[in-house]
Amino acid sequence: NAGVTQTPKFQVLKTGQSMTLQCAQDMNHEYMSWYRQDPGMGLRLIHYSVGAGITDQGEVPNGYNVSRSTTEDFPLRLLSAAPSQTSVYFCASNRRRNTEAFFGQGTRLTVV
Amino acid sequence: TQLLEQSPQFLSIQEGENLTVYCNSSSVFSSLQWYRQEPGEGPVLLVTVVTGGEVKKLKRLTFQFGDARKDSSLHITAAQPGDTGLYLCAGDPGGYNKLIFGAGTRLAVHP
Repeated sequence: NAGVTQTPKFQVLKTGQSMTLQCAQDMNHEYMSWYRQDPGMGLRLIHYSVGAGITDQGEVPNGYNVSRSTTEDFPLRLLSAAPSQTSVYFCASNRRRNTEAFFGQGTRLTVV
Repeated sequence: TQLLEQSPQFLSIQEGENLTVYCNSSSVFSSLQWYRQEPGEGPVLLVTVVTGGEVKKLKRLTFQFGDARKDSSLHITAAQPGDTGLYLCAGDPGGYNKLIFGAGTRLAVHP
C-alpha cells in the first residue's frame, strides 16, 4: 500500500521561483490537507480540501495555492518562493473529518 | 497563539521513569488525537479520545480526555528509549473541518 506519496523529498529554490509540491493518496480519502512544520511551531495548516473541487484556507495560507481536481491528488503551489517558506511540508489525508490523518514522508524545502 | 498548548516543550528522562505531557485549550473539541513523530517521518496516530472523561490505555501509554473536552494528557509508565520522539496533540475546533496541531512535546529517553 502506497498510502500518501509526496514528491519531491528535497528541494532547493531561489527567491522568487515558483514550484509545485505533489501529493497523491490511493485510499479514496475525501479529506486532504497540507501542513508546514517549523522548529518549535508544530504542524501549521496551510490549506485543506473536503473533497474534489472544494478547498479552503488553513492557518497560514499566504503565498500558497491549491486545487483538488481529483480525489487522489492535492498539489501545493508556491507562487513566488521566499526564505520564510523554508520548512518541511507534509501532506495528509483522512477518510473523513476527525478520523485518523495519514501523512506522507514530507518535503524538505529550502529557499535561498 | 497556539489553539492547542502543549507542555512541556522538551523532556529528557532516564529509562524507567514515568512522565506526563499535557495538551490544553480554551476551546471545546469534539475529539482529540495524539500522534508520535520520529525524525524524517510524518506523524503517526497513537489514539483518538472522544468522550469527556475518557481514559484509553495503549500498553504503557495512558491517554485521558478532560471532562470539559478542552484538555488531554498522555502518561507514559516506565519509559523506554523506543518512546523517544515528538508527541503531538491535534483536534478540530468548532467543527470547521480543520485539524489543528499543538507545537508538540519532544521526549528523549536515555538508556
